[in-house]
Amino acid sequence: GQSLEQPSEVTAVEGAIVQINCTYQTSGFYGLSWYQQHDGGAPTFLSYNALDGLEETGRFSSFLSRSDSYGYLLLQELQMKDSASYFCAVFSGGYNKLIFGAGTRLAVHP
Amino acid sequence: EAGVTQFPSHSVIEKGQTVTLRCDPISGHDNLYWYRRVMGKEIKFLLHFVKESKQDESGMPNNRFLAERTGGTYSTLKVQPAELEDSGVYFCASSQDRQMNTEAFFGQGTRLTVV
Repeated sequence: GQSLEQPSEVTAVEGAIVQINCTYQTSGFYGLSWYQQHDGGAPTFLSYNALDGLEETGRFSSFLSRSDSYGYLLLQELQMKDSASYFCAVFSGGYNKLIFGAGTRLAVHP
Repeated sequence: EAGVTQFPSHSVIEKGQTVTLRCDPISGHDNLYWYRRVMGKEIKFLLHFVKESKQDESGMPNNRFLAERTGGTYSTLKVQPAELEDSGVYFCASSQDRQMNTEAFFGQGTRLTVV
């Protein structure tokens, strides 16, 4: 089967750094993605890692270790607007099937 | 360029009634997905179209749910008859091709409430 595990909630203060971990079990793994969803909004794409290592995009970075079936999203210089749910997702199988974890709710406080 | 659009944005129906949700993907996107999110839980995969073909419908809850994608363009998801547990936000997403680093673009979702 396929499964993704991530913490359900994380709390941090403005300006801090937070890391959201994701472990996965899936057949035919191709890559790990991260999506952000604000309450009432649509999930929006943040990043994708196909190879091991760190990908940096502004304040957000994403890491993948294929041998450990593990990745994380790193958010730096947290802002109030970063309060949202963050989902890791994997493409698996032969036809781009995209499946999601349960999501991590990030609350950023002043 | 228009994004993924879903209609309606909200729907409240009584148990036993029928509801049809529509999704218009981004033009040219072969991949179309339906997902459901219930009460802040996971974004649960329902099914995946590649053009007009159902590639994977392993996430469809039961035979009360029927999805179609006419001519490989827009898609509909019909629930008949609706049950209370079908309530949730139904998201549609599309992506351009079979390259695995392709971003999936989501619609704003249809919030379905069955009473």
